[in-house]
Amino acid sequence: KAGVTQTPRYLIKTRGQQVTLSCSPISGHRSVSWYQQTPGQGLQFLFEYFSETQRNKGNFPGRFSGRQFSNSRSEMNVSTLELGDSALYLCASSLVGVEQYFGPGTRLTVT
Amino acid sequence: GEDVEQSLFLSVREGDSSVINCTYTDSSSTYLYWYKQEPGAGLQLLTYIFSNMDMKQDQRLTVLLNKKDKHLSLRIADTQTGDSAIYFCAESITGNAGKSTFGDGTTLTVKP
Repeated sequence: KAGVTQTPRYLIKTRGQQVTLSCSPISGHRSVSWYQQTPGQGLQFLFEYFSETQRNKGNFPGRFSGRQFSNSRSEMNVSTLELGDSALYLCASSLVGVEQYFGPGTRLTVT
Repeated sequence: GEDVEQSLFLSVREGDSSVINCTYTDSSSTYLYWYKQEPGAGLQLLTYIFSNMDMKQDQRLTVLLNKKDKHLSLRIADTQTGDSAIYFCAESITGNAGKSTFGDGTTLTVKP
């Protein structure tokens, strides 16, 4: 079975731009979560989607948004990028809510 | 609120046992996890323990949970250089791994 895939793996954007990241979960997994990892703040939960509905949300500004499609693939969008948004964005999928499997991440650099 | 704390660094000799410690604050945690992250990679789920258990063993890994003290540990037996990585402790309050709170990670260095 293929693991969680994330595209693109690396991205460089300029302040003020917006970005969309994509995540394809393990086949059959309906829960997809997003996390932001930075050296200063560590791993922080962004949001979780289950069956196309946002089930949980972390403490991030409204510039961070996401969605999930009927095939469970998920996208997250960050608008009006700031330098502080530079991070590794990790996606994880889960089948029954106990075990969570992570993708390799998308490294976003904002200049 | 939820908070998970870990020591930042641990250095051991190859062949020794490693013990990585973690404390958490929320007594309603239902699952506690250990993940491993190697450079440039995502997180790999190593093992997890349900909050009504005291211990779980999986090959070279032993997880101990002291629910009274809210203390979790991961013991790696016969540590190898390939075990060098960052180890994260995480808790799930709702029993849904999809919303987990992570510690800052412990960097394990294994010296030959």
